[in-house]
Amino acid sequence: AQSVTQLGSHVSVSEGALVLLRCNYSSSVPPYLFWYVQYPNQGLQLLLKYTTGATLVKGINGFEAEFKKSETSFHLTKPSAHMSDAAEYFCAVTAYNDMRFGAGTRLTVKP
Amino acid sequence: GAGVSQSPSNKVTEKGKDVELRCDPISGHTALYWYRQSLGQGLEFLIYFQGNSAPDKSGLPSDRFSAERTGGSVSTLTIQRTQQEDSAVYLCASSLSRRDGNTIYFGEGSWLTVV
Repeated sequence: AQSVTQLGSHVSVSEGALVLLRCNYSSSVPPYLFWYVQYPNQGLQLLLKYTTGATLVKGINGFEAEFKKSETSFHLTKPSAHMSDAAEYFCAVTAYNDMRFGAGTRLTVKP
Repeated sequence: GAGVSQSPSNKVTEKGKDVELRCDPISGHTALYWYRQSLGQGLEFLIYFQGNSAPDKSGLPSDRFSAERTGGSVSTLTIQRTQQEDSAVYLCASSLSRRDGNTIYFGEGSWLTVV
């Protein structure tokens, strides 16, 4: 079965610094990959997803992620962190109609 | 409504009582999911409905948990004889169908506290 590993349960960056949240997946078939964000006391909101085609995917709020098959990775990046980016981020993979989520990474943005 | 709607948003119940959590998916979405998120934890899959097919109950943690989906739309998650370890956020989600690549849309969650 497919699975997702998010490296780092907590990431802290300074405002204006690069955000890099790591996600590695395992799948026996070509995967579909997602990043969701969860703000405090809210549900999950889709940031971006990769299905087919261009491997660099742009999402909302200036985030983007690149699908790298050779590295089985789908890392999430943002060039410049904003205080409002503080949240929990979840990577997910679907294959065989089954979606699996990573454990999540909590992003803290320091002023 | 435009999104997945869940009620109640917050529920405090006494240990041993039964609770019902409701989910109204996005109109036209045939797939409906329930997840549980405990404090500081990731998402735990509970149950999945697809149209009129038999639900996938493989994630239900015990027989105290059950769910139904009436008329292919609204779903109710029932927890019987609640325990303190049941305290969590219960998230409902829906998608057009359970097909790879389809986006799953989440509700705001029902926060359950068992005292």
